[in-house]
Amino acid sequence: AQSVSQHNHHVILSEAASLELGCNYSYGGTVNLFWYVQYPGQHLQLLLKYFSGDPLVKGIKGFEAEFIKSKFSFNLRKPSVQWSDTAEYFCAVSGGSYIPTFGRGTSLIVHP
Amino acid sequence: DTGVSQDPRHKITKRGQNVTFRCDPISEHNRLYWYRQTLGQGPEFLTYFQNEAQLEKSRLLSDRFSAERPKGSFSTLEIQRTEQGDSAMYLCASSLEGIRTYEQYFGPGTRLTVT
Repeated sequence: AQSVSQHNHHVILSEAASLELGCNYSYGGTVNLFWYVQYPGQHLQLLLKYFSGDPLVKGIKGFEAEFIKSKFSFNLRKPSVQWSDTAEYFCAVSGGSYIPTFGRGTSLIVHP
Repeated sequence: DTGVSQDPRHKITKRGQNVTFRCDPISEHNRLYWYRQTLGQGPEFLTYFQNEAQLEKSRLLSDRFSAERPKGSFSTLEIQRTEQGDSAMYLCASSLEGIRTYEQYFGPGTRLTVT
């Protein structure tokens, strides 16, 4: 069975600070990894994904994530956050079916 | 707007009543998924359809939960004999089978409160 652990449940930053949200997964086969974001009052949407190839993937709005297979990790990063990045962030893992198992989420608040 | 829509957005019901939720996917999408999300947790997969075929239903939470997609377009999720523990947000998502199967588009959800 696949599982996802997100270490930080609540993160509070000031604008321009750097962000790193931790995500570790457990899965026995080839993984597909995702970060989803839910902005206040909006639908859950895909931020970025990793299937294969370059372990450093870039997503929308300046976000990136790095797949480190030896650590079973897929951490999300952004060098300089903005107030508009305030949202709930979910890490997810799937196998070939593309049905994701989600972590419990990290609530990010960015103060202007 | 051609996104995923769900109806109703909020439902309050008394314990023991049956409830039904509807999801209309993006029109060309042939895959449709149902999830449940409780407070402080990520979405939990329940079931999915490819066209009208329900390909995975073992993760429905109990036999009180059922879903249909009779014509491969909209879908309904029914919960019979609701319990207070069923209170949650029920999310629907859709995707297009193919190279972008992974790209699920989520609806706004139906928030269920069982009193």
